[in-house]
Formats: sequence, C-alpha cells, structure tokens
Amino acid sequence: KAGVTQTPRYLIKTRGQQVTLSCSPISGHRSVSWYQQTPGQGLQFLFEYFSETQRNKGNFPGRFSGRQFSNSRSEMNVSTLELGDSALYLCASLSGGTGELFFGEGSRLTVL
Amino acid sequence: AQSVAQPEDQVNVAEGNPLTVKCTYSVSGNPYLFWYVQYPNRGLQFLLKYITGDNLVKGSYGFEAEFNKSQTSFHLKKPSALVSDSALYFCAVSRYNFNKFYFGSGTKLNVKP
Repeated sequence: KAGVTQTPRYLIKTRGQQVTLSCSPISGHRSVSWYQQTPGQGLQFLFEYFSETQRNKGNFPGRFSGRQFSNSRSEMNVSTLELGDSALYLCASLSGGTGELFFGEGSRLTVL
Repeated sequence: AQSVAQPEDQVNVAEGNPLTVKCTYSVSGNPYLFWYVQYPNRGLQFLLKYITGDNLVKGSYGFEAEFNKSQTSFHLKKPSALVSDSALYFCAVSRYNFNKFYFGSGTKLNVKP
C-alpha cells in the first residue's frame, strides 16, 4: 500500500506570494489533516478534512486555507506569505478504525 | 481543553541504558494517547497507542509506554537504548472520534555510544 504523498517536498517563495501544497492520502483513508512544524512551536494543527468537509480548524489566520477533493486528495493554500510561515508542513491521513495517523514526509517551505 | 506537555526538550542516555521520555496530558473525558517518532527530514511514524485496557502498552522497536490515570501521564520507555533510537519523539492525545490530535512540543532523544 502506498504511503501518504506530499508535493512539492521543498519550495522557496518570497514574501507576499502564495503557495499551494498537495497531499494524497493512503488509499481508503477519508480523513486528512495538516500540521505546521517549526523548531520553536512544535507541531501545530491547521485543519482536518473528512469527505470534502472541514471538520476541525486550528488557530491560524484566514491566510491559511484548505480543501479536499472527492478522491480524498487534499490541498492547502497559504496566501500573502510572511517570513514566519517558513516551516515544514505535514499532512496525515487517518486510519479511522485504529486512530493511527500516517504522515507524509512533508513540504518544507522557505519564505524569503 | 485538551493539551499535552513534554517537559524535557532533550534527553541524553548512553547506549544500553534504559530510557524514559516523559509526557503528561490534560483532556476532558477518556484520553486516547499516542507516541510518534520523527527521524531527520522525515514525517512522523506511529510507535504505540493507549486506547483502553492494560496500562502498559507495547509498540514498535521495543518501546513501551505506561498509562497512569492518577498522574495523567503516558511516559515512553525502553529497557535498553540503541544509538539508532536517536530521534525526535512526540506524544499526542485525541478524543474518541480521532478528528483532532494535540501534540506535545517534542523531545529530542540522544543516545550516545
């Protein structure tokens, strides 16, 4: 079974630009969540989608948004990038039966 | 509100010695507790979980964790550390429906030969 796939793995943007990150969950997993990981803040929950609906949202500004498609693939978008948005963005799909999260390897965003 | 605390940013242990990585939690209702490990430039990998039942749970790579309800703790342990155990460890708590997880800040484990 293929794991969680995130693209791109690395990207560099400048302040004010926007970025879209993609996540393909494990086949059959319908819940996809996103996390921001920074050295100082640890792992911060962004949002969670299930069957194309956002079920939970973390405490991030409206510049951070996401969506989920009918095939469970998910995207997150960050508009008007700030230096502080530099981070590793992790996507995870949930095995609903076991409660285990399966993480992708992340998209490392650098904002200059 | 749900939260997880990992009081140690870093734990240093010699290879062959036992290791403990601490985690305490705050949750309304029954806790569902997890440990994940992250190697450099990788995503997190599941190690073990406590849902219900025996307070001592065993997981991957020889790790185990003990659920202590009175102390609201879920410490990760291993009887004999390996250099290859060096990584970043995260404790997490979730509610019954698993639609939101709260992660601790992470503990960096350094195992020295």
